[in-house]
Amino acid sequence: AQSVTQPDIHITVSEGASLELRCNYSYGATPYLFWYVQSPGQGLQLLLKYFSGDTLVQGIKGFEAEFKRSQSSFNLRKPSVHWSDAAEYFCAVGPYSGGGADGLTFGKGTHLIIQP
Amino acid sequence: DAGVTQSPTHLIKTRGQHVTLRCSPISGHKSVSWYQQVLGQGPQFIFQYYEKEERGRGNFPDRFSARQFPNYSSELNVNALLLGDSALYLCASSLEVAYNEQFFGPGTRLTVL
Repeated sequence: AQSVTQPDIHITVSEGASLELRCNYSYGATPYLFWYVQSPGQGLQLLLKYFSGDTLVQGIKGFEAEFKRSQSSFNLRKPSVHWSDAAEYFCAVGPYSGGGADGLTFGKGTHLIIQP
Repeated sequence: DAGVTQSPTHLIKTRGQHVTLRCSPISGHKSVSWYQQVLGQGPQFIFQYYEKEERGRGNFPDRFSARQFPNYSSELNVNALLLGDSALYLCASSLEVAYNEQFFGPGTRLTVL
């Protein structure tokens, strides 16, 4: 069964500092990997996705993520955070095939707090 | 262009009642998925529909059902509500059933008393 682990429940970062959010996945085949962001009371917004090819993917809002197959990881990074980045971040995995019948599997999320 | 829309925004029900949640996908999107997000957790997959057919089901009891209409909008129905059904219910749409980007709506907050 597929699973996603986000080891950090909360992370506090100073504004302007760099950020790395960790994500480890377990999946039997080639995965689709995603990072979503959720602001309070809102739905999920897709930050970036990895399907294949270059293992470093660029997303919106200055975020990037690196796929490391050997470590089963897909960590999210940002060189300099802004106060508006405070939110809940979710890593998700889905099947690569066209079936899509299992839906996306999400981690429990990492709550990002930005210190002034 | 309108994104995924869901109605109602908030809903309060009592145990044992029935609830219907509605979702309109982005224009041109043929696949709709439903997720349940309990407070403090990540979303959990409930159903996926494509071209009016159920294409996937998560580990939820038969009290949960859904359908997709010819215009690709969708309804999620939950019977015999339990306190544990209190959650944010998210709808997501995508162009096809395969994992193109899934675009999420703002959700319906269901409270069961």
